[in-house]
Amino acid sequence: ILNVEQSPQSLHVQEGDSTNFTCSFPSSNFYALHWYRWETAKSPEALFVMTLNGDEKKKGRISATLNTKEGYSYLYIKGSQPEDSATYLCALAGGATNKLIFGTGTLLAVQP
Amino acid sequence: EPEVTQTPSHQVTQMGQEVILRCVPISNHLYFYWYRQILGQKVEFLVSFYNNEISEKSEIFDDQFSVERPDGSNFTLKIRSTKLEDSAMYFCASRRTWMNTEAFFGQGTRLTVV
Repeated sequence: ILNVEQSPQSLHVQEGDSTNFTCSFPSSNFYALHWYRWETAKSPEALFVMTLNGDEKKKGRISATLNTKEGYSYLYIKGSQPEDSATYLCALAGGATNKLIFGTGTLLAVQP
Repeated sequence: EPEVTQTPSHQVTQMGQEVILRCVPISNHLYFYWYRQILGQKVEFLVSFYNNEISEKSEIFDDQFSVERPDGSNFTLKIRSTKLEDSAMYFCASRRTWMNTEAFFGQGTRLTVV
């Protein structure tokens, strides 16, 4: 059973700060790593789907990297804005039906 | 933009009652999932559904749970006799293809069993 861990559990930053979170996993036995952004009372929103060791993806101020050999992925937010406040979820896709196995999430609060 | 919709947004039910949680996945998607998050815990997989049958289920998904897609658009999760520990946020998700595509989630149904 894959165990996905995320750190930190929560993070408070000032507007304009850059920040990063970690997703770690013990095995490379999965099809893809997903990052989701989840605001309260809304649907989790897919940010990235990453499959290959060394993958780097970017969407605006947010980027992510994947290192399957050492078992981690980083999510970076450059110049945080209050609207970036959300829980960021990492999930591994695997098993017979490519189901998602989620980490604990990182709660980001950006103070104006 | 297409989206997954879930109803109701919040349901309160008495222990032992049956509940049906409803989801309308994105229309051209073929793979459907239910997940849940008990407060303070990780989001956890319940079941996946493809081609009108269950393709994988977790240990949580016991005989008290069932899913169906009765009319080609709705995708429902039924809990036959709810327990206090079934209280959670239940999410429906759908996916267009099996491999390496994002899953689109609904906004969730908060189920409270009293």
